[in-house]
Amino acid sequence: QQQVKQSPQSLIVQKGGISIINCAYENTAFDYFPWYQQFPGKGPALLIAIRPDVSEKKEGRFTISFNKSAKQFSLHIMDSQPGDSATYFCAASRNRLNTGFQKLVFGTGTRLLVSP
Amino acid sequence: DAGVTQSPTHLIKTRGQQVTLRCSPKSGHDTVSWYQQALGQGPQFIFQYYEEEERQRGNFPDRFSGHQFPNYSSELNVNALLLGDSALYLCASSTRGQNQETQYFGPGTRLLVL
Repeated sequence: QQQVKQSPQSLIVQKGGISIINCAYENTAFDYFPWYQQFPGKGPALLIAIRPDVSEKKEGRFTISFNKSAKQFSLHIMDSQPGDSATYFCAASRNRLNTGFQKLVFGTGTRLLVSP
Repeated sequence: DAGVTQSPTHLIKTRGQQVTLRCSPKSGHDTVSWYQQALGQGPQFIFQYYEEEERQRGNFPDRFSGHQFPNYSSELNVNALLLGDSALYLCASSTRGQNQETQYFGPGTRLLVL
């Protein structure tokens, strides 16, 4: 059972354009939503994260938009660069029974290619 | 400050064999989680260790087991390897507690089962 659905599966954007990746979740108990960037042969690296008490978070060229009522969140990459070409994963987690233990549930990934 | 480290980087095994993967968490972290990432897929949670005990487990069979040592490092053991166990195994470290949910991943161990 996939709890986090991610789209699109792949994306091609011109240099300088805006890349948009969308995710939807089912479990309303999720309270932490990170985005990870993964290059081939490497582990995922945390890019930016948001909690459901805010609707938007921006760090440099990366912005997360969060819609709690729709149970959706998205990653926007402004002024996309060839170096942004990677696979992006959305994820979600919840503080299990307030124990402080959390496990990440990942989407299926979006392969982004930024053309020069 | 060293990040999460994993060893070995690559491993080739035969069906039915056993394998042990190792992880050292980021400095200051006390919780280690293991994930399996099949080719072209997102990571799937295997289990999580804190204070040398398994605290959470994903939907993986008992062939997958782990251990955490007093220095917070961890091992993932897989017995009776199947072809389907071929994947990138990722270790992530974090600090237990409220608002300490950020997990940092290592580079992974690529396991190939023939």
